[in-house]
Amino acid sequence: QVQLVQSGAEMKRPGASANISCKASGYIFSTHIIHWVRQAPGHGLEWMGWINTANGKSKGAQKFQGRLTIIRDPSASTVFMDLRFVTSEDTAVYYCARDRDGSWPTNWFDTWGQGTLVTVSS
Amino acid sequence: QSVLTQPPSVSGTPGQRVTISCSGSSSNIGNNPVNWYQQFPGTAPKLLIFTNDQRASGVPDRFSGSKSDTSASLAINGLQSEDEADYYCAAWDDRLSGSCVFGTGTTVTVL
Repeated sequence: QVQLVQSGAEMKRPGASANISCKASGYIFSTHIIHWVRQAPGHGLEWMGWINTANGKSKGAQKFQGRLTIIRDPSASTVFMDLRFVTSEDTAVYYCARDRDGSWPTNWFDTWGQGTLVTVSS
Repeated sequence: QSVLTQPPSVSGTPGQRVTISCSGSSSNIGNNPVNWYQQFPGTAPKLLIFTNDQRASGVPDRFSGSKSDTSASLAINGLQSEDEADYYCAAWDDRLSGSCVFGTGTTVTVL
């Protein structure tokens, strides 16, 4: 079955980078865009960005400009999210989510990873 | 910051009808389809409604969606205890070269 499995929880110091992986299985990796969405404790969902797994083109929300990098490794069917210079406000559960579409991003997320908790604390 | 506004909470008794509103603008809901997600505590969201009013696979028919101009709504007809969850609307926003925006989220409580 279609599945997205994320890497484990991380504890980071302020100023460090959070690095999360998202391994896809059960479908052809390059046929679906992958998004990243986060959720701070007690808060709602926040969209972060997407990557076209076929050509590697990615785009992040303006809020994360300069801090967010999303790349993929087709040979491993895995997407990586790197968020630099984290602060306590980046403490959240981070989800990867599969887009229904493979060519252009939409708001249609049909499969989600289990979530990865990133805690930023000194 | 969410640009789609939802009521923080709605509640109802079993069997009752409840609705959740999602208010946006011409750059998002007014020009793009709306999807709805259901989230239980400690779990990942799940697609509930796509393209404004289509139920995702396996979703009971007591859930329905609609859209008009720059607003959308999710209705639960015949509320059940297992519907207690958080609900989020989502739409693509055409500003800033495109981005996805979520609603502020609504907690449904079954009394």
